[in-house]
Amino acid sequence: DIVMTQTPLSLSVTPGQPASISCKSSERLLNSAGKTPLAWYLQRPGQPPQLLIYEVSNRFSGVPDRFSGSGSGTDFTLKITRVEADDVAVYYCMQSLQLPWTFGPGTRVDIK
Amino acid sequence: QVQLVQSGAEVKKPGASVNFFCKTSGYGFTSFYIHWVRQTPGQGFEWMGIINPSNGRTSYAQKFQGRVNMTRDTSTSVVYMELDSLRSEDTAVYYCARAPTRPPRFDFWGQGTLVTVSS
Repeated sequence: DIVMTQTPLSLSVTPGQPASISCKSSERLLNSAGKTPLAWYLQRPGQPPQLLIYEVSNRFSGVPDRFSGSGSGTDFTLKITRVEADDVAVYYCMQSLQLPWTFGPGTRVDIK
Repeated sequence: QVQLVQSGAEVKKPGASVNFFCKTSGYGFTSFYIHWVRQTPGQGFEWMGIINPSNGRTSYAQKFQGRVNMTRDTSTSVVYMELDSLRSEDTAVYYCARAPTRPPRFDFWGQGTLVTVSS
């Protein structure tokens, strides 16, 4: 199975400041179509995850442009340009290159 | 709008079985895969399996092979999952999630079903 790791595991951010989360995969994430199936999700307490970013850098419908994704190969990053109170959540990366799809352990973001 | 509505919380004894449903609406049922994923405080997210609603084909995580069964009813747009031989470690929130073929990702999730396994 592909192992996903994330750093940091928790992050405390002042509103209006940026935040960055790193995600690494144990194998290169590149499929036969030349795409990289790496997604980011946000999960608020008591809620299911919500898709933020797919294929490394594509924002899902309705996701603010404060959220951006980048990376390639085995190293990926989620950035929030200006953190807002509503961004308090746990953020997960997930690979869908091969079954089983696997998630990182999550990064908890809270507000200072 | 796309909706996945799951069955309610369950409390089960060790050794029992639990049945879930995931009622979908707002899209073409046979055009998207449905996955089941569970979340535990200790293990995080665990992928359990996938069903293709178009033909009913399934693929299960090795960990759950022989203990899980996923089916679907195309007339009602509902996906079902049964998990047998429950143990305390199966206490978790179970989610169904929709996944398009391309690009592969979970774009919509059910609200989750909490299963508590306790004697």
